Amino acid sequence: AQKVTQAQTEISVVEKEDVTLDCVYETRDTTYYLFWYKQPPSGELVFLIRRNSFDEQNEISGRYSWNFQKSTSSFNFTITASQVVDSAVYFCAPLYGGSQGNLIFGKGTKLSVKP
Amino acid sequence: NAGVTQTPKFQVLKTGQSMTLQCAQDMNHNSMYWYRQDPGMGLRLIYYSASEGTTDKGEVPNGYNVSRLNKREFSLRLESAAPSQTSVYFCASSATVEGQPQHFGDGTRLSIL
Repeated sequence: AQKVTQAQTEISVVEKEDVTLDCVYETRDTTYYLFWYKQPPSGELVFLIRRNSFDEQNEISGRYSWNFQKSTSSFNFTITASQVVDSAVYFCAPLYGGSQGNLIFGKGTKLSVKP
Repeated sequence: NAGVTQTPKFQVLKTGQSMTLQCAQDMNHNSMYWYRQDPGMGLRLIYYSASEGTTDKGEVPNGYNVSRLNKREFSLRLESAAPSQTSVYFCASSATVEGQPQHFGDGTRLSIL
C-alpha cells in the first residue's frame, strides 16, 4: 500500500532551536509529488512546498529547508532558529497516481515552540 | 483574493438531518476536493472533481454526495447525518489533479448530535 509516515507525533522546542520534522513515504510509482502543509492553531491549511520525484535537489526558503532523499524515501523538513509563530501541525502529503492520484496526508507532527 | 470560500463555518445538526456544505473558488482551478479531518488525524479525501462535469470517490465517500455545479463551485451533501460524520470539513482546489498544490478553504466545523 502506498502511504506516508510521520513518526513524530509531537515535538516541543525552545525558540531559536533548530528542529527537523521527519517524513517517510512508500510508493511503487516512479513519478510522484511530495508536499508539506502547515496547519496553525487557527485551523487553516497553508501550502509550504511541492517537490516532484525527479528533482532531488534540496530546497531552502528563508528559515525553512527540505531534504529529499529518494534512496531512503524521505522528505524531511527543517526549521532553523524556530520562532513561536512556527507552532503548528505540519503535514507531509505525497501525491501518487499521476492524473488519477490524490494527496495522502500523514497524521501530522505537532510542533510547539516555546519562548 | 478570496481563494477558496466555504460556508458555513460552523454547524450543529441532529442525527438524521440533511445539509449541504458549499465551496467556491475564484482561482479558475479545474480540480476541487472535499476532505474531512478528525482529531489527531490527517485529512482524508471524501470526493474529488478532476474537472467540471466529473466527480470521483475518495477514501471515505460513504454517507456523502457531491455536485460540481460549475467550474467555481463544488458542494458536499450529507443526506442523513450520523454522529460519525462529526468532523472538520475542508474544501480545496488545484489547477490540475497531477502534481499541483491544493489550496484549502478555512474549514467547516460540523457537529452531529
